[in-house]
Amino acid sequence: DAKTTQPPSMDCAEGRAANLPCNHSTISGNEYVYWYRQIHSQGPQYIIHGLKNNETNEMASLIITEDRKSSTLILPHATLRDTAVYYCIVRVAGGLNNNAGNMLTFGGGTRLMVKP
Amino acid sequence: DAGVIQSPRHEVTEMGQEVTLRCKPISGHDYLFWYRQTMMRGLELLIYFNNNVPIDDSGMPEDRFSAKMPNASFSTLKIQPSEPRDSAVYFCASSFGLIQAFFGQGTRLTVV
Repeated sequence: DAKTTQPPSMDCAEGRAANLPCNHSTISGNEYVYWYRQIHSQGPQYIIHGLKNNETNEMASLIITEDRKSSTLILPHATLRDTAVYYCIVRVAGGLNNNAGNMLTFGGGTRLMVKP
Repeated sequence: DAGVIQSPRHEVTEMGQEVTLRCKPISGHDYLFWYRQTMMRGLELLIYFNNNVPIDDSGMPEDRFSAKMPNASFSTLKIQPSEPRDSAVYFCASSFGLIQAFFGQGTRLTVV
């Protein structure tokens, strides 16, 4: 049962902002939105996560709608090295309960192609 | 820290042979995960450990697969006997708590 929906692919011009959408209309109140990316031939890499407030770090910004049913990952100035598959995941964070809701379950993701 | 270290990076073996994949998690991390990635099925969680104890192995495809974590700094994933359909990239990841997981570079397994 997919918890998130993402477009399968997107293109972005180098130097421009990349805005990757994610729908998670069935998100629960205690579930966070996580973003990971996987560059070709590498393991997935954590980018950012948030609950309901917008978040920013050195890699990206995460904008979560007020109803929490969707979010957008923003790479402010995309470079060729940002070409990757981006995964949006919802999960319970930091819990001490060992249940499936705590686990990272990867869907199909969005394949972002940054073009010169 | 060098991150999560997996070995070997590439493994080619014949059908029926035993294969052992190895993982050294980041020091201090209390969770360890094994994932498998194929084109058809994407990234699948196979098993995870908390403080060296297996918690959920429901993702392990069948009895040919087994995983151990004898101590906090080492884990193995074994396939015996291996089959061509086991060909995939196997990732190990570790985390402190369940906030952020760090993945290794993966082991690309080819069973011929």
